[in-house]
Amino acid sequence: QSVLTQPPSVSAAPGQKVTISCSGSSSNIENNYVSWYQQFPGTAPKLLIYDNNKRPSGIPDRVSGSKSGTSATLGITGLQIGDEADYYCGTWDSSLNTRVFGGGTKVTVL
Amino acid sequence: QLQLQESGPGLVKASETLSLTCTVSGGSIKNGGYYWGWIRQPPGKGLEWIGNVYYSGTTSYNPSLRSRVTISIDMSKNQFSLKLRSVTAAATAAYYCARAQITMNRGVIRRDDAFDIWGQGTMVTVSS
Repeated sequence: QSVLTQPPSVSAAPGQKVTISCSGSSSNIENNYVSWYQQFPGTAPKLLIYDNNKRPSGIPDRVSGSKSGTSATLGITGLQIGDEADYYCGTWDSSLNTRVFGGGTKVTVL
Repeated sequence: QLQLQESGPGLVKASETLSLTCTVSGGSIKNGGYYWGWIRQPPGKGLEWIGNVYYSGTTSYNPSLRSRVTISIDMSKNQFSLKLRSVTAAATAAYYCARAQITMNRGVIRRDDAFDIWGQGTMVTVSS
């Protein structure tokens, strides 16, 4: 059972938008920065969003992140077949004194 | 461009020690602006943070693994390493090394920095 809760899966048609939620608590998301990672099968995670809403160089602006209270959200607009992957949120938990990740969300492009 | 590469045995016997090394290329591990971490992922499951090491040798570990984990840094080889003792089948996973940038918040080193560069990962299976 992950400390951060993500929906197991989300789906949308090409060109549409998906949002992935990451729900936590005051000991993690609310008082720490959130990052998001994309992972294709058999490969390493790749950083998509850091510090809640910042994109590393090379990540397109159709990818966005936001945070409000104890929840964070990853958004992907203009969905493409190549976006089909697993997505993970992560942050620090000040009570558990450990880094925590969500259980992951599989994005399917219909 | 900085790259990380994990190496080590792909098969470890239960109760023995899992040992992995991450070699950093295209940059120096001595760069005090970064720290280095290990993350694992059991087959079909999510990510689990194992621990970090700073260039100073200071470490931080997942409390659930702290009693069995040692992460160390070897600046002469541009490498950092993971040792996990007394492994069980639950340690079967893909192991990733990664880098995070040290940032400050109100004069305190943050712990929630993102891992911006990852190794390709290495699969370790624990056999009985």
